[in-house]
Amino acid sequence: GENVEQHPSTLSVQEGDSAVIKCTYSDSASNYFPWYKQELGKRPQLIIDIRSNVGEKKDQRIAVTLNKTAKHFSLHITETQPEDSAVYFCAASIIGTASKLTFGTGTRLQVTL
Amino acid sequence: GAVVSQHPSRVICKSGTSVKIECRSLDFQATTMFWYRQFPKQSLMLMATSNEGSKATYEQGVEKDKFLINHASLTLSTLTVTSAHPEDSSFYICSARSGSGYTFGSGTRLTVV
Repeated sequence: GENVEQHPSTLSVQEGDSAVIKCTYSDSASNYFPWYKQELGKRPQLIIDIRSNVGEKKDQRIAVTLNKTAKHFSLHITETQPEDSAVYFCAASIIGTASKLTFGTGTRLQVTL
Repeated sequence: GAVVSQHPSRVICKSGTSVKIECRSLDFQATTMFWYRQFPKQSLMLMATSNEGSKATYEQGVEKDKFLINHASLTLSTLTVTSAHPEDSSFYICSARSGSGYTFGSGTRLTVV
């Protein structure tokens, strides 16, 4: 089955700096890669996703890049703000009605003033 | 947008008793529902995939007789934790495919005392 690894497990940046979180996946059939932000005790919130037919996607301060050959994808957050502090999870799946999401191990991001 | 309603949000039960968690898709039909468990400071781990009108598919290491899943309609899936023990205390969350992504329930914090 799919295995998703995520690094780093914790990340501390100063407000205004950029944050980068990296994930690798094992199943070359995976073609959908979402990123979620989860606050304590809450459900994961989708912040951006990318499909395997594109290499990069951007939404304001958030961008995701995908390298299918190397089977890795990254989340980039620019101009970080204190409210970006949360746990971020990458995930992978194969698009289809029965396709399950496999999550990475999570990154705790702390944005300090 | 698609909404999955999950109840209860919190439950405390005594060891040996059973607890039922419900997830309903409110404005779409969910033929497949995914059940995850999340221990503190850990990732979401898939427990099982429930399919409307058929038996659930359990992940390796998940006891199907302990975690009973019923998906009797296109809008309702239930997870029953039977003979609960303190080690079953966790955050349980459901998810369903909706459109091009996944919609999550709000989660259930189960504490077994």
